[in-house]
Amino acid sequence: AQTVTQSQPEMSVQEAETVTLSCTYDTSESDYYLFWYKQPPSRQMILVIRQEAYKQQNATENRFSVNFQKAAKSFSLKISDSQLGDAAMYFCAYRSGWGGSEKLVFGKGTKLTVNP
Amino acid sequence: DARVTQTPRDKVTEMGQEVTMRCQPILGHNTVFWYRQTMMQGLELLAYFRNRAPLDDSGMPKDRFSAEMPDATLATLKIQPSEPRDSAVYFCASGFSTGWVDEQFFGPGTRLTVL
Repeated sequence: AQTVTQSQPEMSVQEAETVTLSCTYDTSESDYYLFWYKQPPSRQMILVIRQEAYKQQNATENRFSVNFQKAAKSFSLKISDSQLGDAAMYFCAYRSGWGGSEKLVFGKGTKLTVNP
Repeated sequence: DARVTQTPRDKVTEMGQEVTMRCQPILGHNTVFWYRQTMMQGLELLAYFRNRAPLDDSGMPKDRFSAEMPDATLATLKIQPSEPRDSAVYFCASGFSTGWVDEQFFGPGTRLTVL
């Protein structure tokens, strides 16, 4: 079974600074997808960024980028120019590729605090 | 602005009572997922459906939980009888599949408290 580990229960960053959230995963599959979700206090799960395992290029979405290290099974999220609205729980998630289970397997989350 | 809706947003009930949570997937989506979020276990899949048929309900306690899709616009998750350990946030997510869901869109969740 696949597992996802987020080793940082909490992180903090100063507004306008950069922060990196860590995620590692364990799988024997070669085809899979990785995601970062944001959960603000409203509880809404919001997709931040996704990465296809077959793509070597790291995904980027505006101020959010990932460092995907397939061999190390590592998938970190970098938030640049942090804003107060980035404060939330962040979850790393794994999903099997075509033909596998469509369920998302989540890590336990990292609570990000942004200090003004 | 298409979105998944869930009702109720919050529910407080007493142990032994029946609880029904409802989800309206995004119109046109044919796959519905139910996840449960607790402090101890985090987010876990309970069950998911495609075209109203269950594909995987291995995460769902069968003795007290049941999930159905009476029609394409409504998914229900029922707990009978409820227990304090069922206290959690229950999320519904939907997606469109022609064989595989590309992206899951989450609802705002139902926070259940069982006293």
